[in-house]
Amino acid sequence: LAKTTQPISMDSYEGQEVNITCSHNNIATNDYITWYQQFPSQGPRFIIQGYKTKVTNEVASLFIPADRKSSTLSLPRVSLSDTAVYYCLVGDRATSGTYKYIFGTGTRLKVLA
Amino acid sequence: AAGVIQSPRHLIKEKRETATLKCYPIPRHDTVYWYQQGPGQDPQFLISFYEKMQSDKGSIPDRFSAQQFSDYHSELNMSSLELGDSALYFCASSRRRDFQETQYFGPGTRLLVL
Repeated sequence: LAKTTQPISMDSYEGQEVNITCSHNNIATNDYITWYQQFPSQGPRFIIQGYKTKVTNEVASLFIPADRKSSTLSLPRVSLSDTAVYYCLVGDRATSGTYKYIFGTGTRLKVLA
Repeated sequence: AAGVIQSPRHLIKEKRETATLKCYPIPRHDTVYWYQQGPGQDPQFLISFYEKMQSDKGSIPDRFSAQQFSDYHSELNMSSLELGDSALYFCASSRRRDFQETQYFGPGTRLLVL
């Protein structure tokens, strides 16, 4: 089963832009890439979703190259309240045909004052 | 806006007991997903249902079963509980007619097996 990998942790200062990359070599052809934010003991909270190229909403941007084997979440001007774990979520279809949803390994972002 | 509801929020059981977790999806969502998140781990996909039929299966132990009912709520049944089943269990829902099928997660049920 292919792994979906992310950097384990990142530190940033308030007001800076943060970019978190997720590698997903085995993403299913028709699947979207979704990013979530998770605080301790809470459910993952939807941030942004995309299929190809660039998507932007009021809180983040998502960059996806043409081969779709990776994606980068960009958080502009982070604040202390953005300290959380960030996950990418992709679909993975094995050669056997089975389909699973795979969370990335998670990136623990710490925003410093 | 209405969100995914899970009950109970906390559950304490002893080894070899059974547990039932419930999930109520966002209104008009027809697909439900279950995930398990152990301490310090990323969420692991267990199983999903669409229109009351199992649609995809992940790392769900044979001791666990799940179903989706006619009102689209879902229940995860866990038998012969083991210490290692202690985890946060999340339910998510989506609407299949939306091509991107964004999954929205509930607050989770924290299960502690003693």
